[in-house]
Amino acid sequence: NAGVMQNPRHLVRRRGQEARLRCSPMKGHSHVYWYRQLPEEGLKFMVYLQKENIIDESGMPKERFSAEFPKEGPSILRIQQVVRGDSAAYFCASSLRAGKSEQFFGPGTRLTVL
Amino acid sequence: DQQVKQNSPSLSVQEGRISILNCDYTNSMFDYFLWYKKYPAEGPTFLISISSIKDKNEDGRFTVFLNKSAKHLSLHIVPSQPGDSAVYFCAGMDNKVAGYSTLTFGKGTMLLVSP
Repeated sequence: NAGVMQNPRHLVRRRGQEARLRCSPMKGHSHVYWYRQLPEEGLKFMVYLQKENIIDESGMPKERFSAEFPKEGPSILRIQQVVRGDSAAYFCASSLRAGKSEQFFGPGTRLTVL
Repeated sequence: DQQVKQNSPSLSVQEGRISILNCDYTNSMFDYFLWYKKYPAEGPTFLISISSIKDKNEDGRFTVFLNKSAKHLSLHIVPSQPGDSAVYFCAGMDNKVAGYSTLTFGKGTMLLVSP
């Protein structure tokens, strides 16, 4: 039973390019969460999605960032026109239920913006 | 506004001794707390949790204590082993009215257990 999968594991982009981060939740999980960890910081919630719906995007910057979780395929976190401050580790988590339910994390994508 | 604080960035303990990791929170809406363990270049792994209606939860070598009035929790690892060396994150779960939950993490404490 595979865990949460994220790809790529490492992504290098130049300023102004687009970054696409992918997350496949655990089998049977339909709740996906994205977190960002800046250097020397804890993980910070960005967005929570259920299949085809964004439920809570209160932690996501209003501009340049978007997320989706289509009916088929992985969840995508998209960052347009990346800047150096976007360099961070981006973690995806999934859960079986929406409420008090353990969130299982993927290995993360480390984004470096040159 | 840091809602979950782990004031010790690092902790060194000898193998076989007790490790105590502390966590303070300010958000009274948290009603469930979790500890995650993280190795370098990996994602956080769930370790143990506690509901706000309890004051203790034990799982093998790991015990979490919750002092709700002080808004403080701690993770005890007894006996500590070198394989426990990792970064430990405390997280508060905020259960939204809409029926879903999000996690708020502390900055983590790096535990080093020496042989």
